[in-house]
Amino acid sequence: NAGVTQTPKFRVLKTGQSMTLLCAQDMNHEYMYWYRQDPGMGLRLIHYSVGEGTTAKGEVPDGYNVSRLKKQNFLLGLESAAPSQTSVYFCASSYRWGGQENTEAFFGQGTRLTVV
Amino acid sequence: AQSVTQPDIHITVSEGASLELRCNYSYGATPYLFWYVQSPGQGLQLLLKYFSGDTLVQGIKGFEAEFKRSQSSFNLRKPSVHWSDAAEYFCAVGSTGFQKLVFGTGTRLLVSP
Repeated sequence: NAGVTQTPKFRVLKTGQSMTLLCAQDMNHEYMYWYRQDPGMGLRLIHYSVGEGTTAKGEVPDGYNVSRLKKQNFLLGLESAAPSQTSVYFCASSYRWGGQENTEAFFGQGTRLTVV
Repeated sequence: AQSVTQPDIHITVSEGASLELRCNYSYGATPYLFWYVQSPGQGLQLLLKYFSGDTLVQGIKGFEAEFKRSQSSFNLRKPSVHWSDAAEYFCAVGSTGFQKLVFGTGTRLLVSP
């Protein structure tokens, strides 16, 4: 199994450009998450989804949009990139809490995004 | 609201010494608790998790953690630290009520010779 796959792994954007980060999981997980990681701030939740066709805001949703048209994919979009969005982005997926006793969140390898 | 606090930003431990990393969470019902480790430039690896039952859980690489409901804590321990344990450690909490997975700000472990 591939687990959780993020594309791309690296990207440099100019201010104002747009892009989409793709997260794909092959474990039939209900929940999917997008985080950003910045030094000293841990992982902050941007948006999450509890099932196909659903999305919800996390702690830091401004400047991002998401879509989950298929259960296995969760897309994170930046419509007009800003330098403040320079970060490492992680996607994760899991079964729903309480759905399976032995669940955990599986993470992708991250996308390093630089906005200049 | 659901939250996780890791009060120690950095900890330095001598190789061979014992380690305890602190984690406190804020949530009323029984949480799902996790410890993850991240080596520089890498993704996150699960060390251990707690859902229910025995409050002392064993993980990989010789780590263990104890869930203390009365203190809302889930501290990570290791009896003897190795140089390869130097990394950043994150505590996280999930719950059926909030559906999210929320992380603490992390503790960076440095291991001195």
